[in-house]
This record gives sequence, C-alpha cells and structure tokens, in this order.
Amino acid sequence: AQSVTQLGSHVSVSEGALVLLRCNYSSSVPPYLFWYVQYPNQGLQLLLKYTSAATLVKGINGFEAEFKKSETSFHLTKPSAHMSDAAEYFCAVSEGGGFKTIFGAGTRLFVKA
Amino acid sequence: DAGVIQSPRHEVTEMGQEVTLRCKPISGHNSLFWYRQTMMRGLELLIYFNNNVPIDDSGMPEDRFSAKMPNASFSTLKIQPSEPRDSAVYFCASSWDHLTTNEKLFFGSGTQLSVL
Repeated sequence: AQSVTQLGSHVSVSEGALVLLRCNYSSSVPPYLFWYVQYPNQGLQLLLKYTSAATLVKGINGFEAEFKKSETSFHLTKPSAHMSDAAEYFCAVSEGGGFKTIFGAGTRLFVKA
Repeated sequence: DAGVIQSPRHEVTEMGQEVTLRCKPISGHNSLFWYRQTMMRGLELLIYFNNNVPIDDSGMPEDRFSAKMPNASFSTLKIQPSEPRDSAVYFCASSWDHLTTNEKLFFGSGTQLSVL
C-alpha cells in the first residue's frame, strides 16, 4: 500500500531564502506524486504533479520538485521564499487501480521578513 | 467555472444531532472524493465515487457516516448521530475520470464542523 511521509511539521525560512520541504513515499508500483498547497480557510490547490515524464517537475509560483527513485523522495524546493508562500504544503501519492490519492501530514511553512 | 461548491461553510451542532454536508462537483468531472482534515490525523480519504458509484469507502470511520451521490452534480455526507470527535473540516474534491487517468483533484473550500 502506498504512503507518504513529510519530514518536519513546521519549517521556517527568511524571505529570500531557499525553501526545502521534504517528502518520502512508499509505493509498490511507479507512483504518481503531487504537491498541493493550502492557504488559510481554503481548500487544497495543486502545485505540481509527477507522472514519470521528467524527474524534475516545475510547478506554479516558482516551485519545483525532483523525483528520486533511489531515495523514494519527492522534495519540494523554491530558490527564494516570498511572504505569500506562507501556507501548508501537502505531498500526495497515488497509484493504479482507482488512483486513490493519499496525503502526507502536511508541512506548515512560515516565512519571516 | 464556479469550482467545487460545498455547503454549509460552517456547521455547529449538538452531540446526537444529524449533520448533512453537501457538495456540488465541477461540471463534467465524474470522480468525487470526501476528505476529513484534523490536526491529529491530517487529511483522511473517507470515500471516493466514480460515475456516481462508490468505489472505495474503506476510510469511512463507522456506520454513523454515510455518503450518497444521487447524480453527477450532487453528493452528501451524513453523520447520524454526530459526536464531538467528528469535529473537523470536511473537504469535497472532484476530478475527471480518476479511475483511469489520475488527474489532479479540485478541492472545495470545506465545511468546518463543530459538534458540541
């Protein structure tokens, strides 16, 4: 069965600093991997999606993630944090047979001025 | 496109009462999901419909919870009787043909449920 582990429930960075949010997955078959973002009092929105076409995936708002099969990781990065990036970020995995999407516990990103 | 529409936005009720949460998926989407979000358990998938048929309800916590999708444009999640531990944010999400294509999910704004 697939699962997702997000390392760190809270991450704090300074504005302009690198953002790195960690995600490791477990899947019995090549997975589909996602990063979603949730702003306060809103539903989740897709940031980016990995579907095996390329290991480096570029998403919205300057975020990207790299799929590393050997490390079973799909970490999210952004070179320079902006105050508007403060939100909760969820890594998710799904696989065949109905593509049930399972979410990680989430990482709340704080951006300091 | 109006997006996924959930109602009510907030619901406060007393223990033992019946609660009904409603969802209108995006027009043309034929996969619908109900998730529950709490601080302790994060986002949990409760049930997943495809073409109005429940595909996986293994996440429904107990018999007090039930979900229906009578047509392609409407779904309900009912809790009867409600308990304080049901307090959470309930999200509905929809997608195009998730059974075969694994498209992204579009989420509603959620229903904040408080059971006193």
